Amino acid sequence: DTAVSQTPKYLVTQMGNDKSIKCEQNLGHDTMYWYKQDSKKFLKIMFSYNNKELIINETVPNRFSPKSPDKAHLNLHINSLELGDSAVYFCASSQGTGSSEQYFGPGTRLTVT
Amino acid sequence: AQSVSQHNHHVILSEAASLELGCNYSYGGTVNLFWYVQYPGQHLQLLLKYFSGDPLVKGIKGFEAEFIKSKFSFNLRKPSVQWSDTAEYFCAVKSSNTGKLIFGQGTTLQVKP
Repeated sequence: DTAVSQTPKYLVTQMGNDKSIKCEQNLGHDTMYWYKQDSKKFLKIMFSYNNKELIINETVPNRFSPKSPDKAHLNLHINSLELGDSAVYFCASSQGTGSSEQYFGPGTRLTVT
Repeated sequence: AQSVSQHNHHVILSEAASLELGCNYSYGGTVNLFWYVQYPGQHLQLLLKYFSGDPLVKGIKGFEAEFIKSKFSFNLRKPSVQWSDTAEYFCAVKSSNTGKLIFGQGTTLQVKP
């Protein structure tokens, strides 16, 4: 009974390709997030959706486009992949945007060669 | 801008030693405070959280943290560490205004058996 799941777990691709990472949560939460963890393990928020509406959009290249088809899913599409996109991407969810805790998925390790 | 600073980047302890990891944040408003743990190859899990009330909070696995408002600190403690506590520890702050969860740089804890 995985609460927040991501696919794929590992993704190796070449520069210039377009790829997607999928995230699903079965917690009934209404808010979902994407985080990027770099090689130094620093975690930074990229996007947040509440009830399928974008509410946080950090300074992220527009090659990254999140899509939320429904409250339980938040996918991340990346165009024209670059070497610097190599990182671990974590999806998370929470109930509301206030003080509730966030539950994290297992992460997707993206390697761009 | 909001920021979170973890003083120790890499801590090495022997089993049964006591642990204290420092965390300071910069934000003057109402905040929620969290400590997350990331075991090798795994996703982030919540150790403990502070929203309001008693500034000394207890979490899972014998961890506790103390919120000291005047010092903008939320240090993590454990009286006696175990080898299984080897992991990456992240302090995080969420402001009620922005709803963003801001992470510190992380502290790598290595416990020697």
